[in-house]
Amino acid sequence: GQNIDQPTEMTATEGAIVQINCTYQTSGFNGLFWYQQHAGEAPTFLSYNVLDGLEEKGRFSSFLSRSKGYSYLLLKELQMKDSASYLCAVTDSNYQLIWGAGTKLIIKP
Amino acid sequence: ETGVTQTPRHLVMGMTNKKSLKCEQHLGHNAMYWYKQSAKKPLELMFVYSLEERVENNSVPSRFSPECPNSSHLFLHLHTLQPEDSALYLCASSQERASGANVLTFGAGSRLTVL
Repeated sequence: GQNIDQPTEMTATEGAIVQINCTYQTSGFNGLFWYQQHAGEAPTFLSYNVLDGLEEKGRFSSFLSRSKGYSYLLLKELQMKDSASYLCAVTDSNYQLIWGAGTKLIIKP
Repeated sequence: ETGVTQTPRHLVMGMTNKKSLKCEQHLGHNAMYWYKQSAKKPLELMFVYSLEERVENNSVPSRFSPECPNSSHLFLHLHTLQPEDSALYLCASSQERASGANVLTFGAGSRLTVL
């Protein structure tokens, strides 16, 4: 079956760096997404990786290793507003989006 | 308005009620989706419409009935629901359906509670 694993919850300190991991086992691969979802709000697109390597967007970076079935989302200079759930999703060979259960990130002062 | 708008934001209904969820997108997208989000579970895709034609129906019980009258509007009609149907129902849209870099734009969701 197809599966995406990510930690259920993580805690980090304001101003620090946190890395949220995502591992996947899917039927084929056509890209990996990260979305951010604040409580009671819509998930919003953060990043898309289809080639191996690191994509940087300001304080957020996303890494992909297709051979390892692995990605991570790196958040630097954490702010309180970064408290949210982070959803990892993979597009398989049939262009179906397979979702992880999300990682709830708690930022403490 | 821009983006994807869902109404109502909150809905409480009894098991014998009939209600509908509404979704509207002003992005000119060609595909629209209904997802179910339950606590600590992955998003579950329920229905997909592409150019107003239903293209996916992922074994969803018949008590959920979708309707897509045009490319900007999507409804989810609810009838004789069960308490386990209580969840956040998310609508999303995208430029097209079958694409690797298919970025979804989500609405804020309708929080449904079935008593």
